[in-house]
Amino acid sequence: QSVLTQPPSVSAAAGQKVNISCSGSSSNIGSNYVSWYQQVPGTAPKLLIYDNNIRPSGIPDRFSGSKSGTSASLGVTGLQPGDEAHYYCETWDVSLRAGVFGGGTRLTVL
Amino acid sequence: EVQVEQSGTEVKKPGESLRISCKLSGYNFDTYWIGWVRQMPGKGLEWIGIIDPSDSDTRVSPSFQGQVTFSVDKSISTAYLQWDSLDASDTAIYYCARRKTAVLNSAFGHWGQGALVSVSS
Repeated sequence: QSVLTQPPSVSAAAGQKVNISCSGSSSNIGSNYVSWYQQVPGTAPKLLIYDNNIRPSGIPDRFSGSKSGTSASLGVTGLQPGDEAHYYCETWDVSLRAGVFGGGTRLTVL
Repeated sequence: EVQVEQSGTEVKKPGESLRISCKLSGYNFDTYWIGWVRQMPGKGLEWIGIIDPSDSDTRVSPSFQGQVTFSVDKSISTAYLQWDSLDASDTAIYYCARRKTAVLNSAFGHWGQGALVSVSS
């Protein structure tokens, strides 16, 4: 059972948009920045969003992040077949004194 | 350019010890925290722990406390994850990742390719 809760799967048609939620508590999301990672099967995770809403260089602006209270969200617009992957949120938990990942969300592009 | 190169596949028996490595290059090794992440077969990412190469200060997830040991060799810019006695449940891919900034709770900006550890009798 992950400290951060994500939906197991989301899906949408190519060209459409999708949001992936990440729910936590005051000891993690509520008091720290959130990061998002993309993992294509068989490859290492890749950083998509850090500090809640900042994209590293090279990440298209179709990907966006937001945070409100104890929840965060990853948005993907203009869905492409190459966006099919697992997506994970991550943050620091002050009670655990360690980082935590969400359980991951599988994105399917129909 | 930051590069993160992990050691290869390991096949071990229960009860054996193991140390896997992660060599980092392209920056000042002392400056950024280095973390380890587990991915069991078909499962999600799990946060194991993180080490500050400058002084070997560590933070360990309660789920992994006492199960693994973290270390670094600054002379060769390499971080290690070690088990004294492996169990079949340790079978997984282990990723090494460097924090994006020098802050403990920043994102993992640079990832290794992963090291497969297989434990079976």
